[in-house]
Amino acid sequence: SQTIHQWPATLVQPVGSPLSLECTVEGTSNPNLYWYRQAAGRGLQLLFYSVGIGQISSEVPQNLSASRPQDRQFILSSKKLLLSDSGFYLCAWSVQGSTEAFFGQGTRLTVV
Amino acid sequence: GQNIDQPTEMTATEGAIVQINCTYQTSGFNGLFWYQQHAGEAPTFLSYNVLDGLEEKGRFSSFLSRSKGYSYLLLKELQMKDSASYLCAVTPPGSARQLTFGSGTQLTVLP
Repeated sequence: SQTIHQWPATLVQPVGSPLSLECTVEGTSNPNLYWYRQAAGRGLQLLFYSVGIGQISSEVPQNLSASRPQDRQFILSSKKLLLSDSGFYLCAWSVQGSTEAFFGQGTRLTVV
Repeated sequence: GQNIDQPTEMTATEGAIVQINCTYQTSGFNGLFWYQQHAGEAPTFLSYNVLDGLEEKGRFSSFLSRSKGYSYLLLKELQMKDSASYLCAVTPPGSARQLTFGSGTQLTVLP
């Protein structure tokens, strides 16, 4: 069966510090991968999606970046965090050609 | 682009029936999802509609009208554990099939 792992679960970082959130998927190959952010009381905002290794599409301009160094690994990064980067970050995957997304457990990031 | 509207909050009583509406305006449409999200947790899949009509799955049903850009999620025999945020999401045509989510409806079930 397929599983998705996302870590860490919670993170408190100072403004200006770097960020690296990692997500891996097991039990499938060549998945679509997604990073979403959910601000408090808000809906899910798509940040990045990837249809293959090294292929990253950005949905909104921001100081975040994403990379896909391996087929089932998706990394969300920032060189310098802003207060506005605080939120609940969710990694998700879907089968190529399918529409249902399966979510990781999320990372609650607080920038202080 | 995509625009999805759903009520921010709803309250209902245990054992009752509640209907959560979702309207959307999209430049293309390839299906509508409903997800349930408990506080601090990841969303979990509830239903998927791509054709008009009602899809029933246990206590939960979802309805879609593509001509009206309208969907609803119907929850029957409400239980306290149904208190959660319910997210409507649409998927546009495209190879990546990424979902666009509404802001969610926070449902509170009262005893």
